Amino acid sequence: GAVVSQHPSWVICKSGTSVKIECRSLDFQATTMFWYRQFPKQSLMLMATSNEGSKATYEQGVEKDKFLINHASLTLSTLTVTSAHPEDSSFYICSARDWGRNQPQHFGDGTRLSIL
Amino acid sequence: DAKTTQPPSMDCAEGRAANLPCNHSTISGNEYVYWYRQIHSQGPQYIIHGLKNNETNEMASLIITEDRKSSTLILPHATLRDTAVYYCIVRVGGSEKLVFGKGTKLTVNP
Repeated sequence: GAVVSQHPSWVICKSGTSVKIECRSLDFQATTMFWYRQFPKQSLMLMATSNEGSKATYEQGVEKDKFLINHASLTLSTLTVTSAHPEDSSFYICSARDWGRNQPQHFGDGTRLSIL
Repeated sequence: DAKTTQPPSMDCAEGRAANLPCNHSTISGNEYVYWYRQIHSQGPQYIIHGLKNNETNEMASLIITEDRKSSTLILPHATLRDTAVYYCIVRVGGSEKLVFGKGTKLTVNP
């Protein structure tokens, strides 16, 4: 149980385009999902907390107009990187927590984004 | 910043137990300790979590000291596939956020 699916696994696109990444909890409902970013040889950095039916909460330094988050249902959150540029190239990972405040977060397999 | 301290790297022989330590001296009374691992180019994998009692599941055992200031993750019979970066995490200030430190890079050798 507690499977989180992330799609796509990797994407390559031209500078200036927008890219949408989906995160789904497959066998549980998640009122809260999280989006992380990881640059090479670095640890995961939390970008934002996605709450079902309300606005996401962004970490300091993360541009909310550039990284649009939508959490329209209890099993789906999306991250859209708008007008992506080469510096946005990174490994994006989502997670979701099963019901119960102290339950662990479960992570997707990540999306490797390369902007040319 | 992460609230935990881990050694940057460890080595273990295949088939032997791997004992990964973690210090969390500022942990508060109701905060859980979570362990994850990340194999190269994959998302983190949940391993185990605990509050104050020792815990065991099919993947590992978690030993938490009585004062809760440190813990040890035990992989009883390490395999080559256990080579990964292991993260010990205590959530920030009672929030749901997970702050990932640098973790311990465990290398299991044949």
